[in-house]
Amino acid sequence: GAGVSQSPSNKVTEKGKDVELRCDPISGHTALYWYRQSLGQGLEFLIYFQGNSAPDKSGLPSDRFSAERTGGSVSTLTIQRTQQEDSAVYLCASSLRDTKNIQYFGAGTRLSVL
Amino acid sequence: AQKITQTQPGMFVQEKEAVTLDCTYDTSDPSYGLFWYKQPSSGEMIFLIYQGSYDQQNATEGRYSLNFQKARKSANLVISASQLGDSAMYFCAMRSRTGTASKLTFGTGTRLQVTL
Repeated sequence: GAGVSQSPSNKVTEKGKDVELRCDPISGHTALYWYRQSLGQGLEFLIYFQGNSAPDKSGLPSDRFSAERTGGSVSTLTIQRTQQEDSAVYLCASSLRDTKNIQYFGAGTRLSVL
Repeated sequence: AQKITQTQPGMFVQEKEAVTLDCTYDTSDPSYGLFWYKQPSSGEMIFLIYQGSYDQQNATEGRYSLNFQKARKSANLVISASQLGDSAMYFCAMRSRTGTASKLTFGTGTRLQVTL
């Protein structure tokens, strides 16, 4: 597609369940990023992929969070044993690896943990 | 560590007027990029404008311009001829261009409301 695609757009889950969030980047973009935006807040970096490897995982808040990227394209962010504080909008972005490195964002997945 | 500060939680502007949204930053990196994004109520982050730290001229993109003052570490966004559709949250962000660092650091945002 023309832009970054994320699915699902909304996810409601019960505390303790695992969830998977998907991101399909812009075709040809080698870099992929996950961010989290809590209600009324700015964006918080989670993880960055260059190709299939993740040189920066510094933003993952706990070992319940993991992410992978396959084929240099689609990425999945997995949250295990979800907690209420995990409720947020999870945004994915992709970019070319050039001087500007402009990141283009998807519409996000709104996660609600009950 | 990098830090972005946006001191205006909310701003009002009349339609067709110009408005300036403030952004100051702090970094020890010699090379960096500065970005502005718009987030309407739909939630998507829309890229507006980019300024590189070594760019000699201030960036412009249509009605958007970036007032870059390197010595003062400020990167204010100027929107000219405001339109009702400009009502949204606006985020300033920066990225180090040193080494392999690639993540964006965001400010807390400014909510702009355009009135008739």
